[in-house]
Amino acid sequence: QVQLQESGPGLVKPSQTLSLTCTVSGGSISSGDYYWSWIRQPPGKGLEWIGYIYYSGSTYYNPSLKSRVTISVDTSKNQFSLKLSSVTAADTAVYYCASYREMVAATLRLGFDPWGQGTLVTVSS
Amino acid sequence: IQLTQSPSSLSASVGDRVTITCRASQGISSYLAWYQQKPGKAPKLLIYAASTLQSGVPSRFSGSGSGTDFTLTISSLQPEDFATYYCQQLNSYSFGGGTKVEIK
Repeated sequence: QVQLQESGPGLVKPSQTLSLTCTVSGGSISSGDYYWSWIRQPPGKGLEWIGYIYYSGSTYYNPSLKSRVTISVDTSKNQFSLKLSSVTAADTAVYYCASYREMVAATLRLGFDPWGQGTLVTVSS
Repeated sequence: IQLTQSPSSLSASVGDRVTITCRASQGISSYLAWYQQKPGKAPKLLIYAASTLQSGVPSRFSGSGSGTDFTLTISSLQPEDFATYYCQQLNSYSFGGGTKVEIK
């Protein structure tokens, strides 16, 4: 059973770059059909999809964050990572990694499952 | 694509039938998922493809709809179902604003 675990600093200064890593266990990040994703949730608010990466390195980002986001993958470590630049207090959130599965030429879209437990990142000086 | 959930919150009793709606700003075929989130926990996938129950999810949960209008129904609310529910469209992956289900 695939499990995901986020890791990284819990405190980032304004204008700096937020960096998080998600480690995948119980399965290979190079499995076809899976897209490795980041989602965030500001305290007390709703969910926002950030972007995803395929094991080949292809990425797709939320247009509202695209100019500041980079998602990368390290298949040798079974990990993928998020970098968010020029952060402000508005980027304070719980950041989740999750896997998203599509099959049959994207005609079957199975949703985001499983999710990591999430990690709170606070942007403050 | 914007997703509008209603209501934003509701109060219900154990045993009640609960319906949550999700409306998309443009047609998304059946590319919609529903999630349940409890405080301090990650969301849990309940339904994908608008009406397919994820493995292990109780059958009291059901989903319906296609195009722009979707519903999540809990046929008989159980104590463990008090949570916040989100819809998500799987074209460009935006989420609805959430519906908090509270105990009456």
